[in-house]
Amino acid sequence: ETGVTQTPRHLVMGMTNKKSLKCEQHLGHNAMYWYKQSAKKPLELMFVYNFKEQTENNSVPSRFSPECPNSSHLFLHLHTLQPEDSALYLCASSQATEQFFGPGTRLTVL
Amino acid sequence: GQQVMQIPQYQHVQEGEDFTTYCNSSTTLSNIQWYKQRPGGHPVFLIQLVKSGEVKKQKRLTFQFGEAKKNSSLHITATQTTDVGTYFCAGGDSGNTPLVFGKGTRLSVIA
Repeated sequence: ETGVTQTPRHLVMGMTNKKSLKCEQHLGHNAMYWYKQSAKKPLELMFVYNFKEQTENNSVPSRFSPECPNSSHLFLHLHTLQPEDSALYLCASSQATEQFFGPGTRLTVL
Repeated sequence: GQQVMQIPQYQHVQEGEDFTTYCNSSTTLSNIQWYKQRPGGHPVFLIQLVKSGEVKKQKRLTFQFGEAKKNSSLHITATQTTDVGTYFCAGGDSGNTPLVFGKGTRLSVIA
């Protein structure tokens, strides 16, 4: 265990559904990240938060909406997704150097 | 923007053979990190290199950072089946920009 938890671990949703992914870190880190991992783009950075403020939005479609209510929690709200959004969504946190990754949410969009 | 290229994309080796993956950045880096992701798992930090020409070892793994701080390599001596996974390099520059990950090298070890 890395101290970063993600729920749910697996999610199947239709294109009209709304769902949320949750990430929690117990490491006291200041930065949190969302990555998308698929066969085409192994580790694609989506969003970065530092001290709850979004500092990076890597041209992510608006159907992905992040939320960071505090330094320990990070959400990714999903709505009207496309089948090509099916992937492993990884959360990570860091303090200075290395990033600690959670186990990921395997998302399938039907 | 900064790009990090990693080769090869895949590598199949017989157990006991050596393995090397190479990482090249389009810009000079302040540091480079290496991660390993086991099949079905998530990336796990292995090491960080910060100095020009730095070499670090972890048991059978040897990590190098180039003199120009634009390339790096990971070498595994006498691979074992436990080495199976995808190895990612990630380049960091000075300032607050996030790490840029390479596409990874997937290593298969045949027993």
